[in-house]
Amino acid sequence: QQQVRQSPQSLTVWEGETAILNCSYEDSTFDYFPWYWQFPRESPALLIAIRPVSNKKEDGRFTIFFNKREKKLSLHITDSQPGDSATYFCAAGTQVVGQLTFGRGTRLQVYA
Amino acid sequence: EAAVTQSPRSKVAVTGGKVTLSCHQTNNHDYMYWYRQDTGHGLRLIHYSYVADSTEKGDIPDGYKASRPSQENFSLILELASLSQTAVYFCASSGTGGTEVFFGKGTRLTVV
Repeated sequence: QQQVRQSPQSLTVWEGETAILNCSYEDSTFDYFPWYWQFPRESPALLIAIRPVSNKKEDGRFTIFFNKREKKLSLHITDSQPGDSATYFCAAGTQVVGQLTFGRGTRLQVYA
Repeated sequence: EAAVTQSPRSKVAVTGGKVTLSCHQTNNHDYMYWYRQDTGHGLRLIHYSYVADSTEKGDIPDGYKASRPSQENFSLILELASLSQTAVYFCASSGTGGTEVFFGKGTRLTVV
């Protein structure tokens, strides 16, 4: 059973548009939600993270919206750029233990 | 700069052979992880460790062993490699829970 689900599996947007990537989780004990991005032939790297004390986290063009009641979150990328083309992983963990559970990823393609 | 170094970076192994993947971190992190990445499956946790001389099973431990002889080093051992273990393997480290997980560059393992 997937603990962290992502949708869509792939997404294509034009440069300048807003890309919306969705994530949901099962375990209500999760209290740390990072998003990682991975470029081809590279390792995943932390993009942005949120803890449930807030329902929004912003970092430049990247914003996480978090809905604890529905166990859902989304990553919004505004003014998308071709350089944003990557696979984005939603992950979940707790602040007690270190390991993260990852979703299967959303492959984002931004066309110029 | 956080550093996680994996060796080898790629390996071809024969079915039934023994494979050892090594990982070294200079982050002074307590937690270390081995993840496996397959197309369409995201990152799945194989084994992890939060202290030297102790390892824990992750979500897909079958067919793998792990060893943490020191805080800096964490190995993944495939005693009898199988075709289904062809994948990219990432080692990672982190401090306490709810903090950034830093990934190594990955090891591409091909079992023939």
